[in-house]
Amino acid sequence: KAGVTQTPRYLIKTRGQQVTLSCSPISGHRSVSWYQQTPGQGLQFLFEYFSETQRNKGNFPGRFSGRQFSNSRSEMNVSTLELGDSALYLCASSIPTGVPTGELFFGEGSRLTVL
Amino acid sequence: QQQVKQSPQSLIVQKGGISIINCAYENTAFDYFPWYQQFPGKGPALLIAIRPDVSEKKEGRFTISFNKSAKQFSLHIMDSQPGDSATYFCAPKNEGSGSRLTFGEGTQLTVNP
Repeated sequence: KAGVTQTPRYLIKTRGQQVTLSCSPISGHRSVSWYQQTPGQGLQFLFEYFSETQRNKGNFPGRFSGRQFSNSRSEMNVSTLELGDSALYLCASSIPTGVPTGELFFGEGSRLTVL
Repeated sequence: QQQVKQSPQSLIVQKGGISIINCAYENTAFDYFPWYQQFPGKGPALLIAIRPDVSEKKEGRFTISFNKSAKQFSLHIMDSQPGDSATYFCAPKNEGSGSRLTFGEGTQLTVNP
């Protein structure tokens, strides 16, 4: 079974540009969440999508947005890039359940560098 | 706000030794307590998790101990191996938060041969 696939793996942008990152979840997983990982702030939750609807959002500015398609694939977009947006962006998929389990399966991430 | 505090930041252990990593949390609504392991260049992967109705869970060389009253849980790695060298994160969540994990700062474990 293929894991979570994120593209691109590496990218370099300049301040003011925008970027779109893509995530293909594990087949059958309908929940996709995004996390930002930086040395200073650690791993921080961005948002979660389930059935094409955002059902949870972290404390990030509106420049960070996302969406989910009918096939559960997800994209996140960051507009007007700032130097501080340089980070590893991780996507995770899961099978949402009503109990407090639900292992998250992470991709290898997209490493964004903003110059 | 600092909801989850993990210690130590780094840990060096000899092969065969015991590694202990601690996690303290503030949010009493947390009801699922996992530890994730991350190797360089990879995403985090679930190592072991516990629910608050038990105080300890063991899977092979890995054990979680949970103290609800102290709002702490810890990861014990017995017979530590060089292959265990990685960064470990506690990441508690509550049922109503979907896939929203609150990660600790991480502990970089090095196991010397």
